[in-house]
Order: sequence, then C-alpha cells, then structure tokens
Amino acid sequence: DTAVSQTPKYLVTQMGNDKSIKCEQNLGHDTMYWYKQDSKKFLKIMFSYNNKELIINETVPNRFSPKSPDKAHLNLHINSLELGDSAVYFCASSRGPKTEAFFGQGTRLTVV
Amino acid sequence: KNQVEQSPQSLIILEGKNCTLQCNYTVSPFSNLRWYKQDTGRGPVSLTIMTFSENTKSNGRYTATLDADTKQSSLHITASQLSDSASYICVVRDNTNAGKSTFGDGTTLTVKP
Repeated sequence: DTAVSQTPKYLVTQMGNDKSIKCEQNLGHDTMYWYKQDSKKFLKIMFSYNNKELIINETVPNRFSPKSPDKAHLNLHINSLELGDSAVYFCASSRGPKTEAFFGQGTRLTVV
Repeated sequence: KNQVEQSPQSLIILEGKNCTLQCNYTVSPFSNLRWYKQDTGRGPVSLTIMTFSENTKSNGRYTATLDADTKQSSLHITASQLSDSASYICVVRDNTNAGKSTFGDGTTLTVKP
C-alpha cells in the first residue's frame, strides 16, 4: 500500500488555467506538507499543516491555496497558472512537525 | 537567516569507491539533521537522522557524522554501487514549535561502472 499518494503524477496545462493536485496519506500522521522542486532540483517548502491547521506558509503566492478536509488529505489548488509554476510538487506527511517526513512520488506540473 | 549549504554540488565516482558529502548549516535553535536520498523521478527518502548529542550514525554503507559545535555534517558512502546514483539532500530542522525544516540544495552523485 502506498503511504503517501499524489494524483495526478503528471499534469500538463495551459497558462491561466486552474488545477488541483490531491494528496492522501494512510499513515495516521498529523502533519502534512507541500514542497516545490524546481528545474535545478532545489526543494522548497510551501505549506505545512498540523491537525488541519496551517502552521507554515512560506510566502507562497495567493494563487496557491491548500485545503485540508481532514488529517489524511492535503490538496493543493492553483489558480491562474503561470509558466514559472512548472515544477515537481511533492506532498509529504509526518507524525508531528518535528518528526521524519515521508514523501509522495511527486506531481510533475508543466505549464505551456 | 537559517541556511544549509552542501558541497560538492555534484560528484562522479567509480563503482566500489568511497565518497564523502558535506553539509554546513546555520539553523538555530537546532533540533535535528537528516540526510535524504532522492532517486530520479522519486520522492526523497530518509537515510539517517542526527540529534544534538549524536556524533556518528550508520545505515548500511551510509555513515553520517555531526559536529554540533562547528555546525557541520557529513555523509560517507562506502563501496559505492550504481544504485547510489541519486541526489543527497541535507535537511536541518529548528527547535521552534513549528519545527521548520531548511533544505540544502543537494549533492548529485553519479556512480559509474
């Protein structure tokens, strides 16, 4: 069973569109994250949620809106996509804010 | 500003050789330091975690060291294998309530036959 699963794995879309990436974890973790990995493979945290509450927001544009309907899910909605949004987005989860994060397989987003 | 710097940026070695990757950080207050391995097209996977009181920790052919005084860590890979080809990312977590992690930019290791 996949511990942290993201869908879709690949997403190609046009500039200006709105898209969502879904993430689910079956580890019973309380904390979930979204990371962005750019073309140079630098991983940057975007958001962190603990028990459905936002605890970290790394000055991400308002076009990015995370939604956590329950502790097992953290979805990422992106409005008005731009070329610079092209990257691999990783979801992760951990038992708590200070414990090991388990990563999903990533979603490769390409904006054309 | 908390920073994590890794060196070298990339490294090519022959199969069977050893190598050492470096990580220097300024994160404070310090909670822990992790080394992650990220295979191409996959998410990062944790190799080791080091806390303040730990100097050395091994995981198979991987050995991590931590000098909390100089704020330096290293990851030593022994008898490298082709499957070790990956990016190795150093991540330092602070000891605030949010437990924010600062990621290094990674070292890309290529092991050649």
